[in-house]
Amino acid sequence: EDKVVQSPLSLVVHEGDTVTLNCSYEVTNFRSLLWYKQEKKAPTFLFMLTSSGIEKKSGRLSSILDKKELFSILNITATQTGDSAVYLCAMTTDSWGKLQFGAGTQVVVTP
Amino acid sequence: ETGVTQTPRHLVMGMTNKKSLKCEQHLGHNAMYWYKQSAKKPLELMFVYNFKEQTENNSVPSRFSPECPNSSHLFLHLHTLQPEDSALYLCASSPRSGAGNTGELFFGEGSRLTVL
Repeated sequence: EDKVVQSPLSLVVHEGDTVTLNCSYEVTNFRSLLWYKQEKKAPTFLFMLTSSGIEKKSGRLSSILDKKELFSILNITATQTGDSAVYLCAMTTDSWGKLQFGAGTQVVVTP
Repeated sequence: ETGVTQTPRHLVMGMTNKKSLKCEQHLGHNAMYWYKQSAKKPLELMFVYNFKEQTENNSVPSRFSPECPNSSHLFLHLHTLQPEDSALYLCASSPRSGAGNTGELFFGEGSRLTVL
């Protein structure tokens, strides 16, 4: 059975800290891994990863995929209170865009 | 504003009521989805529509009935729900279906459903 496991489930950091979020997966037919940020309701897209070892960056956020060890990490540097959210990892195994989500990691950034 | 609009944003209904959730996307996408987000559980896929045709029903009980009259609109008809159906129902769309679909979804704000 395909599954996506995120860790930690939650963490609290101070502004300026760096956080690393983990996502491991088991899948029989991997296509892509995606990261989303969910602040209140609508998850918003952050990254899509399909190839191992290629880092994706957007401002203070970056992510990388290891297809051999079946995991991905999402890094947030110099955290700000606006980074407080639930970060969702998901994977897709076919071409219809059906995503299987992990439980998410709740990040709280305190001033 | 994500280009995907859901109404109502909040809904309270009794177990004998019939109600509908509506989703509209203004992005010109071809695929639309319903996801359910319950407390303490991962987002769960419910239904997938591609070009108005249902391509996935993820073992959803028949008290949830989707309808997709065109590529821009998606409904979820609700009847005789149970209290455990209380959740956030998220609609999403994606640019492409079939080959080339990367899995990037554009989500609406969700409809918070409470079943009494």
